[in-house]
Formats: sequence, C-alpha cells, structure tokens
Amino acid sequence: AQTVTQSQPEMSVQEAETVTLSCTYDTSENNYYLFWYKQPPSRQMILVIRQEAYKQQNATENRFSVNFQKAAKSFSLKISDSQLGDTAMYFCALYPTNAGKSTFGDGTTLTVKP
Amino acid sequence: KAGVTQTPRYLIKTRGQQVTLSCSPISGHRSVSWYQQTPGQGLQFLFEYFSETQRNKGNFPGRFSGRQFSNSRSEMNVSTLELGDSALYLCASSSERLSSGANVLTFGAGSRLTVL
Repeated sequence: AQTVTQSQPEMSVQEAETVTLSCTYDTSENNYYLFWYKQPPSRQMILVIRQEAYKQQNATENRFSVNFQKAAKSFSLKISDSQLGDTAMYFCALYPTNAGKSTFGDGTTLTVKP
Repeated sequence: KAGVTQTPRYLIKTRGQQVTLSCSPISGHRSVSWYQQTPGQGLQFLFEYFSETQRNKGNFPGRFSGRQFSNSRSEMNVSTLELGDSALYLCASSSERLSSGANVLTFGAGSRLTVL
C-alpha cells in the first residue's frame, strides 16, 4: 500500500518570501514518480512539478523547486518569491509505476499575505 | 486545445437517488481517472479507465460505478445516494495508460454533488 502524508494542514507566508511545504511518503516500489499539484480556490487542479524517483537531481520549475530525499522518503516543495497567486491548496502525490494510480496527501492550504 | 470537461458542474440530489457524471478528456488522451474530494478524506481514487476497460479500482462500494466509451469519454454513476457522498468529483485524463508510465494528470473543474 502507498501512503502520502502532508503534516501541515495550513501555512501562510508573506509575499516575496520563501516557504517550504512538507511531504513524506511510503511505498515498497522502486520505480515511482512524485508530484506536487496546486488547486487554487474554486479553480482546477494543475501540476506544479514532477520528480522521477530514479533521478537524484531535484526538479525545478521557475520559482518552484523540490528537495527529494529518497532514503528518508521525503519530498518537500519550496516556493521562492511567493506571489499572491500562489494562494492555493497544494497536494503531494505518489505514483508507483506498477500501481496504476496516484495516491494523494490530504493537502496543505497555503495563504500568501500581501 | 480543449481541457478536461466535466458536466454537470453542480448538482443537488436527495438520499436514495442516483446520479451520473460525465467527463470528456483532452483529445488524444485515452486514460481517464476519477477521484472523490472531500474536506475530511482528501482525494480518494475511485477508478481508472483505459480504452473502455477499467484497469484500476479504489476502495469504494459497488454503488460507485463507471464506464468509458470508444471516444474516451467517461461517466461515473452513484446509485442509492447517501449524505456522505456529498463531495467534489474530479476527473483527470492522461495521454497513456497510467501503469505504462507516469504521466501528468490533467484535471477537470469537477462536479460538486450535494446530497440532501
């Protein structure tokens, strides 16, 4: 069975500052992918960033980067230079290649304050 | 390129009724997954369809069912509705079978079901 844990139900950050969202996971699979998705208020969920477990290099997408610690099964998301538009619920997701489905964490609600 | 379209966006039903939700994936996407999103349970996987076949199923009772048509459009049905079925139902499509490789899920806006 796969599990994904996001231990921070809510977080806030001042505009232009940096914030890190935590995610830990558990899987017995060796081949898997990790994702962060963003769900803005009343809007569609969209992909933020993706990490292949076999890659040691941390993924980066503009202001978003991850800290992937495979041994510790940790996958945190860092948002730099936070913007008001980053206000959303963020979901961490695990996709083991052989499982055929994604398992999501319970989400972290991030509020960026002006 | 049109995104994932879910209809209806909002609906209200009473206990015991049934409901059918529809999802049109991105053109060319053959895999469609359904998730239930509730404040208390987060996102729970319902099922995944690929080429009209259910390939994966979550831990939901048999009242929850789905199907996929030859044009990849998918429907899910919930029979004998219960108050606890109130949720946002999300559909997501991807360009290949999920178990063949990890592809990004493209989500629809969801269908918000309220059961009274």
